[in-house]
Amino acid sequence: AQSVTQLDSHVSVSEGTPVLLRCNYSSSYSPSLFWYVQHPNKGLQLLLKYTSAATLVKGINGFEAEFKKSETSFHLTKPSAHMSDAAEYFCVVSLFGYSTLTFGKGTMLLVSP
Amino acid sequence: GAVVSQHPSRVICKSGTSVKIECRSLDFQATTMFWYRQFPKQSLMLMATSNEGSKATYEQGVEKDKFLINHASLTLSTLTVTSAHPEDSSFYICSASPRFDATQHFGDGTRLSIL
Repeated sequence: AQSVTQLDSHVSVSEGTPVLLRCNYSSSYSPSLFWYVQHPNKGLQLLLKYTSAATLVKGINGFEAEFKKSETSFHLTKPSAHMSDAAEYFCVVSLFGYSTLTFGKGTMLLVSP
Repeated sequence: GAVVSQHPSRVICKSGTSVKIECRSLDFQATTMFWYRQFPKQSLMLMATSNEGSKATYEQGVEKDKFLINHASLTLSTLTVTSAHPEDSSFYICSASPRFDATQHFGDGTRLSIL
């Protein structure tokens, strides 16, 4: 069984400052981990994924995440927030090689000018 | 690459109407497609998983006679909400996984409003 905990329901940052969205996971076996972003009334867009290769994963739009097995974490970061980054972010886990996903509850990122 | 198109984006119809939502993988073959429902300010809830050419697997609590799923080809899955009622109003999202890749790629969702 697997589970995902997103530690913050809301994160507020100013434009140009760093972004940190926290995610902890639990998985009985080797996990695949994903971050998706959802803008209002839209589907989910894949930002990045970890599938047992490099532990530091670079994604689209300047986002990256680091897989830390000892801490069971997969936090999402970006050096400098942009207004267009304001959206809901979901941390997601699956068993490696399997497509069924377990979603976190989401973190709403708010970006102020 | 890996584009999923979902249509329509919004539907408003009367109670008792049946509504069909299409999900297409535009640039890859999708052996597995998924249908989700999302309530306001909540995460996605998996409704069913469909594999091309076989019956869909429904999650516990999802009425298979209410939510009919057809996955007739490697690029198309449809969800039909039969005899829709106001409580079926929601945001429905599909996703698709390419062959030999478990990553799910999502459509833009369908906002269903039943009056």
